[in-house]
Amino acid sequence: NAGVTQTPKFQVLKTGQSMTLQCAQDMNHEYMSWYRQDPGMGLRLIHYSVGAGITDQGEVPNGYNVSRSTTEDFPLRLLSAAPSQTSVYFCASSPGDRVGYGYTFGSGTRLTVV
Amino acid sequence: AQKITQTQPGMFVQEKEAVTLDCTYDTSDPSYGLFWYKQPSSGEMIFLIYQGSYDQQNATEGRYSLNFQKARKSANLVISASQLGDSAMYFCAMREGRGGGYNKLIFGAGTRLAVHP
Repeated sequence: NAGVTQTPKFQVLKTGQSMTLQCAQDMNHEYMSWYRQDPGMGLRLIHYSVGAGITDQGEVPNGYNVSRSTTEDFPLRLLSAAPSQTSVYFCASSPGDRVGYGYTFGSGTRLTVV
Repeated sequence: AQKITQTQPGMFVQEKEAVTLDCTYDTSDPSYGLFWYKQPSSGEMIFLIYQGSYDQQNATEGRYSLNFQKARKSANLVISASQLGDSAMYFCAMREGRGGGYNKLIFGAGTRLAVHP
């Protein structure tokens, strides 16, 4: 199984550019999330989805957009990149809403905005 | 208020020794899960161990064990017989059972562990 696949692994953007970070999972997981990781701050939730067609905001949603048209895919869109969005982005998925269900993470996308 | 606190930004341990990484949490939800993840220098997040709030025994997974003290709201990770490959960042995380808390994992800031030969 591929698990959670993120592309690209690295990206450099200019301020104001837009782009989409791709995330796909092949485990038929209901829940999918996007996190960003900044030094000294752990991982913070950007957006999440509890099923196809259902998305909601997390802790730090500003500047990002998501959609979930299929169970497998959960892309993250940066609308107008800013240097403050320089970070490592992780996509994660979980089978459902039980507290014992952990999240499986993708390998991350390292984004630099110049 | 922080829900997951990891007070040790960095720790070091001698190879083959045991080490404890601290994690305290804050929740009013009686149902919750606690997770530890390892992040090596390559960057991926690797699940290590899970403890449920209703579990009677401390979780163990190979060299990893979780010292769960519910009344103190602590969930410390114990790594026995440290190996050089254990050098990494370690994150404690919590998933709550109510109020939408099940929608996400809440992470601590992490502890960087260095294992010395």
